[in-house]
Amino acid sequence: DTGVSQDPRHKITKRGQNVTFRCDPISEHNRLYWYRQTLGQGPEFLTYFQNEAQLEKSRLLSDRFSAERPKGSFSTLEIQRTEQGDSAMYLCASSVGRGAGNTIYFGEGSWLTVV
Amino acid sequence: AQSVTQLDSQVPVFEEAPVELRCNYSSSVSVYLFWYVQYPNQGLQLLLKYLSGSTLVKGINGFEAEFNKSQTSFHLRKPSVHISDTAEYFCAVNPLQGGSEKLVFGKGTKLTVNP
Repeated sequence: DTGVSQDPRHKITKRGQNVTFRCDPISEHNRLYWYRQTLGQGPEFLTYFQNEAQLEKSRLLSDRFSAERPKGSFSTLEIQRTEQGDSAMYLCASSVGRGAGNTIYFGEGSWLTVV
Repeated sequence: AQSVTQLDSQVPVFEEAPVELRCNYSSSVSVYLFWYVQYPNQGLQLLLKYLSGSTLVKGINGFEAEFNKSQTSFHLRKPSVHISDTAEYFCAVNPLQGGSEKLVFGKGTKLTVNP
């Protein structure tokens, strides 16, 4: 069990550029989540998948954000036309099974700085 | 909707002293409760969770928390802290029903343990 893996760990990009983050969940975890964390705040839910189906999206996820999990394994989060307000840590997490009491395992996050 | 309030943004303590990190929540439905820890530049790690049963929950690293339904609180405690406990601690809730599995986090409490 290697844990949730995220890549890249750090990304600096210019305003207006597109960025993509990748997440590899724990093997056989069917649920995958994306959260965003800004300085001084707790993580905020963005979206989650059960296998390849995207089941819920937060209103925080504007049209510039898109997430996919094409084969029910890894996931990508793409941000188009980045803005300075997108600077944050993007956390991926995974869990197995169904139920609100399941333990959700987090990766180490991908830091995005938009300059 | 759910919300979580962590009453202290920063808590400084001396090594081997006891500590309590306070968490209150608001929800119109029953919730599961969680405490996560985040070490510098890392993702979140689950400390403990309350699903049902005994209101006193024991977690990793000597931490425990007590669920108080009447006061809608879930305070985290440790009888004797170590330097290595220096980290940010997040309280989170997840509603039992509704089909959603998104955690709602508080803003965090930064615990600093001084020698």
